[in-house]
Order: sequence, then structure tokens, then C-alpha cells
Amino acid sequence: AQSVTQLGSHVSVSEGALVLLRCNYSSSVPPYLFWYVQYPNQGLQLLLKYTSAATLVKGINGFEAEFKKSETSFHLTKPSAHMSDAAEYFCAVSGSSNYKLTFGKGTLLTVNP
Amino acid sequence: EADIYQTPRYLVIGTGKKITLECSQTMGHDKMYWYQQDPGMELHLIHYSYGVNSTEKGDLSSESTVSRIRTEHFPLTLESARPSHTSQYLCASSEEGFLGDEQYFGPGTRLTVT
Repeated sequence: AQSVTQLGSHVSVSEGALVLLRCNYSSSVPPYLFWYVQYPNQGLQLLLKYTSAATLVKGINGFEAEFKKSETSFHLTKPSAHMSDAAEYFCAVSGSSNYKLTFGKGTLLTVNP
Repeated sequence: EADIYQTPRYLVIGTGKKITLECSQTMGHDKMYWYQQDPGMELHLIHYSYGVNSTEKGDLSSESTVSRIRTEHFPLTLESARPSHTSQYLCASSEEGFLGDEQYFGPGTRLTVT
């Protein structure tokens, strides 16, 4: 069984500030971890994924995430927020044999000018 | 860029109507999925398919049904829509093989049943 917990349903930052979105997972097998972004009235777009190679994963739009097995975490960061980063962000895990993704509840990121 | 399409994007219908939400992908992916998404909630898998003539129910019970007659097409049908079916429905697909393969999502259909 696997699950994802995203701490903070809403995060607000100023433009230019650090973005930190938290994700903790539970998995009975080595996990594959994903971060997706959803802009209003759109589907989900993959930001980055961890598949047991490097623990620091770089994604699109300047985002990166670090896999920490000891903390069962996969937090998403970006050094400097841009107004265009305002969106909802979902963390997801897969690791069973059936290719299904389990999603967290999402974190809405607001960027203030 | 993902090539997965959903129609209609928005649909408002009355109770009791039969509806079909369309999903098509041009990537040749074997695996396809339907998710239900409510505001402020996680995506819930309601159906998935591993290939033609293969369909399975997901983690969230749903009164909808699906079919997979062609690789590229994975429609979802509600025989009699009810207000409780009001939600956003997202279709996705992924490649064969590697568990770490990401899912590609369509833009979604926002369904309102009055």
C-alpha cells in the first residue's frame, strides 16, 4: 500500500522568494515519486520524477526535489518564485506492480507581487 | 508534448441523461486511466486499462463504465447522470513497461449535473 501526504493545502510566497512545497510518502516497496503542476482549467503536467537514480532531481521551470529515504520525503523547491508559478501542485507515488499513481491532496501556491 | 485529448471540456446536463466523456491519445500508449477530481481533493482513480479489451475498476467506486475497443480511445459513460456525479474528470495515459513512466494527462472535462 502507498500514500502521500502534502503538508499545507495553501502556500503563499512573495515573488522572488524561495518556494518549498512539502511531500511525505508511505510505500511498502521502493517508490517512484512524481510532482505534477495543474494550472487553472487544465490537466496535470509533469514537473519532475524520481526513479531511483540521483536523489536530487531537477525538473522544468527551475523546480527541483530531493528524495530523502530516511525522512520518507520528496519536497519540491524553487529558489526564486515567479508569478507564473501560481498553480496547484500534486505529489504522487507509484511502486506497486500495477502502474497506478496515488496522489496527495495538492498544494495551492499563490505568488504575491 | 503530450497528445491526449478530452471532449467536451465543459458539460452541463440534467439529471437522468446518458453522457459519454471522450478521451483519445495519439501516442500509442497501452495504459490509460480515468481520474475524478473534486476541488481541494486528491485525484481518485476510477478506471484503468492496460490495453485493448482490458478494463479495471479503480480505487474509488464509480457508477460510470468504460470501454477500450481501440488503443487510442478510452471513453467513459454515465448511463443516468445525477448531481453527485458533478466533478472534474481527467483522462491520462502512460507507456508500457517501466513503473517509473509518468502519466500524461488530458485537459479534463468539467461535468455539472443539474
